[in-house]
Amino acid sequence: QVQLVQSGAEVKMPGASVKVSCKASAYSYTVYHVHWMRQAPGQGLEWVGRINPRTGGGSPAQKFQGRVTMTSDTSINTVYLELTGLRSDDTAVYYCAISVEAPATPNFDFWGQGTLVTVSS
Amino acid sequence: EIVLTQSPATLSVSPGERATLSCRASQSVSNNLAWYHQKPGQAPRLLIYAASTRAAGVPARFSGSGSGTEFTLTISSLQSEDSAVYYCQQYNNWPPYNFGQGTKLEIK
Repeated sequence: QVQLVQSGAEVKMPGASVKVSCKASAYSYTVYHVHWMRQAPGQGLEWVGRINPRTGGGSPAQKFQGRVTMTSDTSINTVYLELTGLRSDDTAVYYCAISVEAPATPNFDFWGQGTLVTVSS
Repeated sequence: EIVLTQSPATLSVSPGERATLSCRASQSVSNNLAWYHQKPGQAPRLLIYAASTRAAGVPARFSGSGSGTEFTLTISSLQSEDSAVYYCQQYNNWPPYNFGQGTKLEIK
């Protein structure tokens, strides 16, 4: 059973950084790009970026460029999302997700459970 | 950047009836559109991709149609467990892979 397991909730001060992990299991880790989405409280979904786990190459959405770094550790089948310069409007649940049924297109059929990042002073 | 507009914002339908949800794109996305639903406290679940292909394990009462800029998700014979927020997502022009703002479906 394909699984994506994310790290636990985080509380950060404004200006700090956060690093969220997403550990993959039960599939070939390097086959599928991993995408990150976020969802602010009571709001819709926002695509943050994607990473190729095999090469480590990441493509963040333009609004996050310069603040988002995505990395991959193939030895432990885990990808990471790091967000710097945190602001209150970064408070959200962050999800990792992959597309297995149609891997050539970003239709996300497997999701992590989500990680709540709260930015508050 | 493509903007997806979903309507209505909220829809209330009785069990056993049909629900029709719309998603309009600000420019053509061909058939590169997916639908998800999300229940409180859960991650989204993929229902439809390529505008009309049901994802694995999705009940046949869910169907998608449309192409270009106008798309529809139809849920026939609604069941109580269909109560959720429904999102469309385009993946024709990227980045980013935009989502619509959602339609909240309530079962009366």
